[in-house]
Amino acid sequence: TQLLEQSPQFLSIQEGENLTVYCNSSSVFSSLQWYRQEPGEGPVLLVTVVTGGEVKKLKRLTFQFGDARKDSSLHITAAQPGDTGLYLCYSWGKLQFGAGTQVVVTP
Amino acid sequence: NAGVTQTPKFQVLKTGQSMTLQCAQDMNHNSMYWYRQDPGMGLRLIYYSASEGTTDKGEVPNGYNVSRLNKREFSLRLESAAPSQTSVYFCASSEYPGSNQPQHFGDGTRLSIL
Repeated sequence: TQLLEQSPQFLSIQEGENLTVYCNSSSVFSSLQWYRQEPGEGPVLLVTVVTGGEVKKLKRLTFQFGDARKDSSLHITAAQPGDTGLYLCYSWGKLQFGAGTQVVVTP
Repeated sequence: NAGVTQTPKFQVLKTGQSMTLQCAQDMNHNSMYWYRQDPGMGLRLIYYSASEGTTDKGEVPNGYNVSRLNKREFSLRLESAAPSQTSVYFCASSEYPGSNQPQHFGDGTRLSIL
């Protein structure tokens, strides 16, 4: 049973456009992590969010944690081809990953 | 700076054969994990070891066994491989099993069972 729902499953955009991906659950997260996975490699941690309403920025990536700690979003501004990858959310409390959003940024 | 090393990188088995996937980490981490990744399903936890000497089942443990050989090494064994076990297997480690701990992943073992 997939407790973490990620949307959309797939996103294809042009370089310079913005995008947002989502991670939702029907239950409260104690904390949430976002990972990015590139082809042929394991996932790499981008950020951990812990507090409801928290916003973290990592260069052009903005991560938000919902006030009720049941949802999170990742926004990429002015996407670049190097942002291409599978974006995964992870809940330590549930020891579970979401199914991921595949992002493709074309030049 | 090796991090997490998985061997082999690729393997093809016949149904019913057995195999052990090896994982070693050089970061002195206490916790280690085995995941499988299938298209459209993200990574699913098979087994984990919170600390040396302990192992626990994850979401999809059936058909697998694990051994935490020492603090560095955590192996995954398929006793009688089935086509449904065709997948990419990832090993990961973290300092502790905690909410702010990053997991560090190997590059995976691509396993095909015919």
